[in-house]
Amino acid sequence: DAGVIQSPRHEVTEMGQEVTLRCKPISGHNSLFWYRQTMMRGLELLIYFNNNVPIDDSGMPEDRFSAKMPNASFSTLKIQPSEPRDSAVYFCASSYSVGEAFFGQGTRLTVV
Amino acid sequence: DQQVKQNSPSLSVQEGRISILNCDYTNSMFDYFLWYKKYPAEGPTFLISISSIKDKNEDGRFTVFLNKSAKHLSLHIVPSQPGDSAVYFCAASARDYKLSFGAGTTVTVRA
Repeated sequence: DAGVIQSPRHEVTEMGQEVTLRCKPISGHNSLFWYRQTMMRGLELLIYFNNNVPIDDSGMPEDRFSAKMPNASFSTLKIQPSEPRDSAVYFCASSYSVGEAFFGQGTRLTVV
Repeated sequence: DQQVKQNSPSLSVQEGRISILNCDYTNSMFDYFLWYKKYPAEGPTFLISISSIKDKNEDGRFTVFLNKSAKHLSLHIVPSQPGDSAVYFCAASARDYKLSFGAGTTVTVRA
């Protein structure tokens, strides 16, 4: 298996633009997570899906952030409109059971 | 509120010596603990875990120790190798989906 695949690896966008991050979890995994890493807050969980259903989105910072998982092999994280403070590395992770999560390589987002 | 704390942001160790990384937690409901390793421009990768029913788990050069009464765990790497230079994250969960991560410790192994 190729692991968790995220795209794009890097994204530079202007403030106010819509940004969509994509994730393909490991086949067979039933849990998917979106994390954000910043210098100030470290790794923080944004949202968790189980069997394609959002279970906990309490980490989503604002209504500008939304996430979807239309099927077991694809998820998106959208920011609309984007702001400079959204600049961070966004990680997608998946797991089969409670415990170890497998992370993608991340998307480095820069909003200018 | 940081429930998992790694108070040492960095650690420098000579090749061949032991690296000891420390982690403290505050949530008494945590019963599963993990260490992740992260290289630059890559995602964290799972390294080793320990359940609260154990006080030690070993995997090759990596050993994790858990002291439940002190709410403290540590990761020992022996002997340290140049490829171990990375950021190490401690994480904990209450056997649910949510992993709480520490801020990370950057390990540099000197030749």
